[in-house]
Amino acid sequence: GAVVSQHPSWVICKSGTSVKIECRSLDFQATTMFWYRQFPKQSLMLMATSNEGSKATYEQGVEKDKFLINHASLTLSTLTVTSAHPEDSSFYICSARMSLYSYEQYFGPGTRLTVT
Amino acid sequence: AQSVSQHNHHVILSEAASLELGCNYSYGGTVNLFWYVQYPGQHLQLLLKYFSGDPLVKGIKGFEAEFIKSKFSFNLRKPSVQWSDTAEYFCAMTYGGSQGNLIFGKGTKLSVKP
Repeated sequence: GAVVSQHPSWVICKSGTSVKIECRSLDFQATTMFWYRQFPKQSLMLMATSNEGSKATYEQGVEKDKFLINHASLTLSTLTVTSAHPEDSSFYICSARMSLYSYEQYFGPGTRLTVT
Repeated sequence: AQSVSQHNHHVILSEAASLELGCNYSYGGTVNLFWYVQYPGQHLQLLLKYFSGDPLVKGIKGFEAEFIKSKFSFNLRKPSVQWSDTAEYFCAMTYGGSQGNLIFGKGTKLSVKP
């Protein structure tokens, strides 16, 4: 149980275009979903937290107009990288939490974004 | 600022060797501590967690960790590693002001030689 999927697993896009990444909780309802960015040989950096039906809360330094997060339902959150640039190339990971009272997060497999 | 430090970037061991990966955190209050593992090409999985109680926590696959409050540490141990333990290991914490958000260390890559 507690499986989180991401789609696509790998995407290449041209500079200036937008890319949407989906995160789904397959067998549970997620009150909260998180989006992380992982640079090579570095830790996961939290980008934003989203609760279903609410606006996402972005971490300091993360451009909310560039990284659009939509948490449309209890099983789906999307991250759209708008007007992507090569410096946005990274590994994006989502996670989901079952309840507000649980600290445990379940992670998706990640999406490798390459912007050319 | 609150942070988690993992001092070993890359650890190389032979099979059957004992493992200890260091993790220190900076926060003076109550914390919840976690170890996650990321096998090559796979997603992060929870190895074990500490919320309260017995400071020696046992997790999956023979791993354990000990919370030492006086040292702000939560080191991961395994008495005898296997080749299949080759992975990246992340220590993480939440604390009262983090609203349940995980703060990760930079990770330690473990390579086990067969």
